Parts: sequence; C-alpha cells; structure tokens
Amino acid sequence: DVKVTQSSRYLVKRTGEKVFLECVQDMDHENMFWYRQDPGLGLRLIYFSYDVKMKEKGDIPEGYSVSREKKERFSLILESASTNQTSMYLCASSQPGGETQYFGPGTRLLVL
Amino acid sequence: AQSVTQPDIHITVSEGASLELRCNYSYGATPYLFWYVQSPGQGLQLLLKYFSGDTLVQGIKGFEAEFKRSQSSFNLRKPSVHWSDAAEYFCAVGGNTGFQKLVFGTGTRLLVSP
Repeated sequence: DVKVTQSSRYLVKRTGEKVFLECVQDMDHENMFWYRQDPGLGLRLIYFSYDVKMKEKGDIPEGYSVSREKKERFSLILESASTNQTSMYLCASSQPGGETQYFGPGTRLLVL
Repeated sequence: AQSVTQPDIHITVSEGASLELRCNYSYGATPYLFWYVQSPGQGLQLLLKYFSGDTLVQGIKGFEAEFKRSQSSFNLRKPSVHWSDAAEYFCAVGGNTGFQKLVFGTGTRLLVSP
C-alpha cells in the first residue's frame, strides 16, 4: 500500500512565525503536491513538484514556498504565518502519466 | 480551463436508499475523472477513476460512476447506502500530462439518516 505521511495532524502557530509542514511518501513517486482545503472551496493546489529540486506554482502559491531535496520528502513552508492561512493542508503523491494521487491524512493548522 | 462542479453541497439519504452524487466537468480533451471520499478528520481516499474504455466504472465500497461525454458528467452512484458512507465526496478532473494536476470540485457532504 502507498503510504503518505504528514509530520503533524494538528498545529497551532502565532502570526508571523515560520511554519514547516513535512510530507513523506514511501512509493518512489515522481510527483508530489500540496493542497489546502477550506469549507465550500474544496481543494486548491498550492505547489507541486515533479522531480527533486523542481517545483511549480499551483493556483494559490502566494505566502507559501516549498522544498524538495529528496524524492520522498516535500515540505511546505509558510515564511510568515498569517491568520488567513488557517486551514487543512493535504499532501499527495503520484506517478507521472495521469495516475492516481494518494493523499496523506492532512495537517490542520491554526494561526492565532 | 479545467473546472468541476458539484451542485449539491449537502445530501441526506436514508440508510438503505440509493444514492447519486452529481459531478459536471469542463475539460478540453478526454478527461481523467476521479471520485474521492473523505471521512471526518481524514485525508482523501480514492473510490474510483475513469481513464478510458468502459464508461461505467466500478469502485470500492460498492460505488460506481458513469462517464457521459455528451453531458460532461461523471455521477457517482450506490444502490444501497450504509451509515458508514456518511462523509464528504469530491469529484476531480485531470489530464494525461506528466504532472497530472487535478482540479477538484467543492465537495458534497453526505448525511445518512436512520
């Protein structure tokens, strides 16, 4: 079974803090993705990566950055957290060629 | 641009009754279509997917979906709902590029009444 793990299920941070969300997959997938999920808005793509050290902006990249130094790990960084970044963050991975995305359990982030 | 519409925000179904969740998509080429389910506090689990071939797709947990190109729809069905099916359901569309970016609908929350 594909396993995608996220470093925290719940996080509470203060405005202005630097926040790291970590995601690890164990299936040697090429592609990795970060989404945020908000009620009534569904899932929106923040960033994705199709290879080590490669990254592409998704639909809502503002206020976020990412890092992919190893194939299995994809980090989402909030350089200076703001209250409007309070959300559920979901990581996913897939193989190229239109294959299924596999999701982690999510990190619920609260920024005070 | 790709888009997905799930017109029903909430649906309530009696246990044992049949279910149909609607999904309409907009995509310029032949789409890849997915249905995912999310239980409270959990990540998304794939229910089924359509890439090509038979337009009626069987998935896990007794779900099926039918791709109708003429209607740009990919509705999810189940003949008899169980209380454990209460969750949020997301339809998604993607293409056959190597990056496989998905666009998700806003979700439909299913409530199951006794």
